[in-house]
Amino acid sequence: DAKTTQPPSMDCAEGRAANLPCNHSTISGNEYVYWYRQIHSQGPQYIIHGLKNNETNEMASLIITEDRKSSTLILPHATLRDTAVYYCIVRVGAGTASKLTFGTGTRLQVTL
Amino acid sequence: EADIYQTPRYLVIGTGKKITLECSQTMGHDKMYWYQQDPGMELHLIHYSYGVNSTEKGDLSSESTVSRIRTEHFPLTLESARPSHTSQYLCASSGTQGWRTEAFFGQGTRLTVV
Repeated sequence: DAKTTQPPSMDCAEGRAANLPCNHSTISGNEYVYWYRQIHSQGPQYIIHGLKNNETNEMASLIITEDRKSSTLILPHATLRDTAVYYCIVRVGAGTASKLTFGTGTRLQVTL
Repeated sequence: EADIYQTPRYLVIGTGKKITLECSQTMGHDKMYWYQQDPGMELHLIHYSYGVNSTEKGDLSSESTVSRIRTEHFPLTLESARPSHTSQYLCASSGTQGWRTEAFFGQGTRLTVV
């Protein structure tokens, strides 16, 4: 699975959009971009994933560049409850030979 | 709603004891994973399984062992617990069908070895 690079921390004011970047320059054609978050020490929670098109769900939007070497997770109106560590992961979507490895992630702090 | 359960949630045990951490899922997922995480630190993959009778070592070496006799069950065992095993252990599962292949996590077991 391709390696990802994320900033270690970010701040965002409540009500504003939080844009979390992720670099994955060695991504392969059959690898998807997944985002998870971990609030305090709970189990990580799935947010969204995509292959090459932008995706949106009730939690967030995922913007993937045309060359697929980077992506941005967007929380459109961040709240205090969005304070968490956000992980960007690149992996094959449904293949059997695919571990699920987390990096260091980005610690997002949402403030008043 | 994730249907993956870990027991116990908290465990305090003496050095040298044998322990088994339970993980069960009712989603029929083929893949299951165990992670170890110290407070404020990274999630480290220690074991994973692609299906029944399949187990693999993860990225972080661990003295624990796992088994996968049934699809829904993936227990982790420490034959002789030591204080260095004190950590949080998180179990996860994921499917392999269609678009929805995300992983679901249990609530974790916080292990303290005294």
